[in-house]
Amino acid sequence: EAGVAQSPRYKIIEKRQSVAFWCNPISGHATLYWYQQILGQGPKLLIQFQNNGVVDDSQLPKDRFSAERLKGVDSTLKIQPAKLEDSAVYLCASSPLAGGTNTQYFGPGTRLTVL
Amino acid sequence: AQSVSQHNHHVILSEAASLELGCNYSYGGTVNLFWYVQYPGQHLQLLLKYFSGDPLVKGIKGFEAEFIKSKFSFNLRKPSVQWSDTAEYFCALGSSNTGKLIFGQGTTLQVKP
Repeated sequence: EAGVAQSPRYKIIEKRQSVAFWCNPISGHATLYWYQQILGQGPKLLIQFQNNGVVDDSQLPKDRFSAERLKGVDSTLKIQPAKLEDSAVYLCASSPLAGGTNTQYFGPGTRLTVL
Repeated sequence: AQSVSQHNHHVILSEAASLELGCNYSYGGTVNLFWYVQYPGQHLQLLLKYFSGDPLVKGIKGFEAEFIKSKFSFNLRKPSVQWSDTAEYFCALGSSNTGKLIFGQGTTLQVKP
């Protein structure tokens, strides 16, 4: 079974530039999560999708971050404009369904450096 | 508010030593608890999880964790660590409704051969 795919793996940009990350979840997984992991901290949820609807985006900085999940499969996360504090690893995860008993499967992450 | 706290940020052990990593959570409702591991250069993967039933849960690679409700704890243990256990370990609390994970800050384990 193929895992969660993410691209790019690394990205270096200057502040005020824009950047986009892509995630392809495990086939058939209805729920998709984006997490932000700052160095030395645990991952923090940014947004959760159930199929193509948003379940939770309470921690997404909506003035600069946006995300969409086209047709309930792939997802993109965008930052525009980027700030220095956005330097982090952005993790995508998927699970078959929402709910606390479901295991989340994580992708390799995209490491973003903002200069 | 829900939160997870991991007390040990960096642990160094010799091979064959016993391991216990602390995890405490704050939440008054039904808990779903997880331990995830990230080996160097690899992605986060599940070690074990607790939803209900036997509070002692066994995971992969000889790891186990014990849920103690009265202490709000879910500590990870392994009787004898190996060099290949060198990794970062994350405790997480799962939302019963949405499945959203709230992670602790992680513990870096270094095992010396």
